[in-house]
Formats: sequence, structure tokens, C-alpha cells
Amino acid sequence: QEQLVQSGAEVKKPGASVKISCKASGYTFTSYYMHWVRQVPGQGPEWMGIISSSAGTTSYAQKFQGRITMARDTSTSTVYMELSSLRSEDTALYYCAREVVVGATSWFDPWGQGTLVTVSS
Amino acid sequence: DIQMTQSPSSLSASVGDRVSITCRASHPITTYLNWYQQKPGKAPKFLIYAASSLQSGVPSRFSGSGSGTDFTLTISSLQPEDFATYYCQQSYNTPYTFGQGTKLEI
Repeated sequence: QEQLVQSGAEVKKPGASVKISCKASGYTFTSYYMHWVRQVPGQGPEWMGIISSSAGTTSYAQKFQGRITMARDTSTSTVYMELSSLRSEDTALYYCAREVVVGATSWFDPWGQGTLVTVSS
Repeated sequence: DIQMTQSPSSLSASVGDRVSITCRASHPITTYLNWYQQKPGKAPKFLIYAASSLQSGVPSRFSGSGSGTDFTLTISSLQPEDFATYYCQQSYNTPYTFGQGTKLEI
């Protein structure tokens, strides 16, 4: 079945960087865009950016510009998201999510299981 | 950025009830509106796309409606497994934005 499996929880100090992986299986990796979304517990999800799994081109939310880097490895069907200059407000669950496009509309399905990133001194 | 506002933020209901959740966009988004269900400790699960089209496998008690700026998710007869948090999300343009959620409680 189509699934996304993310790397495990991380604990980081303020100012550090974190890199999360998301391995896709059960579908043609290069046929879909992948997104990263984060969620602070108790709040709505927040879109962070998108990567083309085939071309590797990216687009990031303005809020994260300069601190975020997304990359993909087509040989392992894996996407990565690195967030730098971490601060306590970055403590959240981070999800990768595949974008399904039909005609002019799109949605996120499936989602990874989430990676908890805790930023604490 | 397009802001998505859901109401209510929480809703108490009982098994068998009919409930509706509203989502309002700050800018017209035609029908580029999706709904997700999230249970504690789990990733969001995709339910409805294009405002009113059910994802395969989603029970027919779920329905969506609306266009422009105002949208509604309705559950016709609540089942125990429906108690969760529901989010709307616009796919009209990036940054894709989500509502703050509606927690459906017993």
C-alpha cells in the first residue's frame, strides 16, 4: 500500500539544525509532489513547503525562507527536510504528505506518521 | 495568505446526532477545499476533496458542501469512531492553509 515512513523523534538545542527523512513506498515516487507540514499540539497544521520528487525543485513558505531546505533522493524514494536555527517555537510534530492532483484540484494523501521535534536547552 | 476559519472550535454531540462544521475562507477559493479527520496521536486522514467529493472508502454519512468562501462538513449520524478533530484546508494557492480545527467530543 502507499505509505510514507518518517524518521524518529529528535531533541535539539536552540540554534541547532534538524533533518527529517520521509521514505515513500507503494507508488511511483517521481510522479508526485511532496509537502512538509508541521503541527504544534492543539493547533491546526501549518504548511512549510513543497518539493518536486522528480525535478527536485522547491518552494517554501515565506515564514521559513532562509531556514528550510528540502531535498529528495530518487534512488531511495526519500525526501528530506532540514530546518536550521531552531528555536523553542519550532517544537512541533512534522509531517510529510504526498500531494495528489486531479484536474485542477489537489489534496494531501497519504501522510507520514509524524516526527516530533523538541527544541529545548 | 488565505486564512481559514472554522466554527465552532469544539462541539459536544452524541452517537446518532447530525452535526455540521463550518469553514470560512478569507478569499474566494471556488471549491478548492479539502477536509481531514485527525485522531489523537495520528496523522490527519483525508476525507473530502473539491468541497463535496468523498474520498474512496469514506462512509456516506460524511458530506461536504459550499463554494466561494463558505463551506460545511456534515456528519449525518455520528458513530463512535467519528469523535475526532476535523480540519479544512484550501488548495487554491500556496501557502496552502488549514483551519484551526473543530474538536468533536461526546
